[in-house]
Amino acid sequence: NSKVIQTPRYLVKGQGQKAKMRCIPEKGHPVVFWYQQNKNNEFKFLINFQNQEVLQQIDMTEKRFSAECPSNSPCSLEIQSSEAGDSALYLCASSPGLEQYFGPGTRLTVL
Amino acid sequence: GQQVQQSPASLVLQEGENAELQCNFSTSLNSMQWFYQRPGGSLVSLFYNPSGTKQSGRLTSTTVIKERRSSLHISSSQTTDSGTYLCAMENTGANTGKLTFGHGTILRVHP
Repeated sequence: NSKVIQTPRYLVKGQGQKAKMRCIPEKGHPVVFWYQQNKNNEFKFLINFQNQEVLQQIDMTEKRFSAECPSNSPCSLEIQSSEAGDSALYLCASSPGLEQYFGPGTRLTVL
Repeated sequence: GQQVQQSPASLVLQEGENAELQCNFSTSLNSMQWFYQRPGGSLVSLFYNPSGTKQSGRLTSTTVIKERRSSLHISSSQTTDSGTYLCAMENTGANTGKLTFGHGTILRVHP
């Protein structure tokens, strides 16, 4: 189904540490999304890109989170200083324009 | 209020029974997708269905835009259908592709 690759699958960090996760979108998909799914199964949109440019991002992404999608390199999402509340499944999706295809996710645990 | 409401929250079936999952939207939508989430967290796209009816094997999705609802019908359920089913929409005016997800329906199919 989906060819989106996410690494690592699991990530464990202490509070205050940086946490970085990567995503390789499907070839030919210009749009990339990051979502956070918390332990209550609630999804939150974080940021999306079209051809390396940010389309939209929420406030929390602007403050502690940084993300980029350079050409010819994996996209990345990094939390500068992890907090316990950041423990969640981080899902990357790519899209040719309409339908979104998701990767397996990175499960972050902040101790 | 919540923009995407899914029902039922959970459903238990005997193998062979049919299932009807509902998704209601509080705003007008550009597009919607149905996903199956595996126990490990990865999302499988079942349907991209902004309007009308689509079928794939034992699954049928029907979206009625003017009534702001979509349904997923599973016929002759199997134990391997067990898992979480999610619907998600992009509302009109967003123009960024950002999806808003429901809380999901947890389906259990017993042998």
